[in-house]
Amino acid sequence: AQSVTQPDIHITVSEGASLELRCNYSYGATPYLFWYVQSPGQGLQLLLKYFSGDTLVQGIKGFEAEFKRSQSSFNLRKPSVHWSDAAEYFCAVGPGSARQLTFGSGTQLTVLP
Amino acid sequence: DTGVSQDPRHKITKRGQNVTFRCDPISEHNRLYWYRQTLGQGPEFLTYFQNEAQLEKSRLLSDRFSAERPKGSFSTLEIQRTEQGDSAMYLCASSLAPAGDWGTEAFFGQGTRLTVV
Repeated sequence: AQSVTQPDIHITVSEGASLELRCNYSYGATPYLFWYVQSPGQGLQLLLKYFSGDTLVQGIKGFEAEFKRSQSSFNLRKPSVHWSDAAEYFCAVGPGSARQLTFGSGTQLTVLP
Repeated sequence: DTGVSQDPRHKITKRGQNVTFRCDPISEHNRLYWYRQTLGQGPEFLTYFQNEAQLEKSRLLSDRFSAERPKGSFSTLEIQRTEQGDSAMYLCASSLAPAGDWGTEAFFGQGTRLTVV
């Protein structure tokens, strides 16, 4: 069975600081990996996705993520956080299309001024 | 707005009542998904449609839940005899699935928050 673990329930960073959100997955085949962001009262917005090829993927809003097969990880990074990045972030793994995505339990990001 | 639209945004109902939610996907998208998100958790897959055909259902979708997409456009999710455990955010998403069925991105709506009292 596929699963996603986001070990950090809540992370607090100062504006301008760098950010790394951790994601570990378990999947029996080649994983298709996603990062979504959810602001209060909003739906999920896709930040980036990995299907194949270059293991460092670039997304929207200055985010990037690196796929490391040996570590079963897909960590999200941003070099300089903005106050508007405060939200909840979800990592997800799927079988190759958007159906049956398995999400992690999320990491709540707080940004201090 | 050409995104995924869900109605209502909020619903409060008494235990035992039936509720129905509607989802309007992005117009050219052939796939539509329903997910459920409880407080402090990530979304959990419920079911999905390819055009009007319901192709997969999660074990989370009990007999009290039914989803339809009659004309391959909008979809409804009905919960009969609601229970307090049904309280959650119900999210709808849509995607355009190519023949090869990979690499598709799901676009999510803002969700319907159900509270069963």
